[in-house]
Amino acid sequence: AQTVTQSQPEMSVQEAETVTLSCTYDTSESDYYLFWYKQPPSRQMILVIRQEAYKQQNATENRFSVNFQKAAKSFSLKISDSQLGDAAMYFCAYSPYEGFQGGSEKLVFGKGTKLTVNP
Amino acid sequence: GAVVSQHPSRVICKSGTSVKIECRSLDFQATTMFWYRQFPKQSLMLMATSNEGSKATYEQGVEKDKFLINHASLTLSTLTVTSAHPEDSSFYICSALPGTGREAFFGQGTRLTVV
Repeated sequence: AQTVTQSQPEMSVQEAETVTLSCTYDTSESDYYLFWYKQPPSRQMILVIRQEAYKQQNATENRFSVNFQKAAKSFSLKISDSQLGDAAMYFCAYSPYEGFQGGSEKLVFGKGTKLTVNP
Repeated sequence: GAVVSQHPSRVICKSGTSVKIECRSLDFQATTMFWYRQFPKQSLMLMATSNEGSKATYEQGVEKDKFLINHASLTLSTLTVTSAHPEDSSFYICSALPGTGREAFFGQGTRLTVV
């Protein structure tokens, strides 16, 4: 079974600084998807970024970027120019490749990292 | 992005009663919907996958008779917690996958408290 591990229960960062959240995963599959989700106090899950395992290029979305190391099964999230609104729980998630449909099928989540942004 | 509405957002019920939670995709058709459970300060655990018009597929350890899932239309899935007990108290979240999409969209969740 696939597992996702987030080794940092809590992280903090100063506003405008950069922070990196760690994630490792275990799978025997070669094709899959990886995600970072944000869960603010409202509890609404928000997709931050998605990475297809077959793509070597790291995904980026504005201030958010990932460092995807397939051989090491590592998928870290870097948040640049941190803002107060970035404070939330961040979950790393894995999804198997489902052919045409692609990702976001059955998501396996890590335990999350609580990010605090200090003004 | 697409909108998924979950209702109610909070519910308190007495032990032994049943409670129904609805998950609706408001602006797209969802061929597949997922139900997750999240314990306090913990991760989301997939409970079951439902496909429109067919029986739900439950994850190992999830009681089918306690957590009844119905996906009667392409925009609505329901989760019914039957004979609820205090240990069923949790945060339940649904997500919906568009028929032609690669991203599932989450509802806002339902806080269930069984007293």
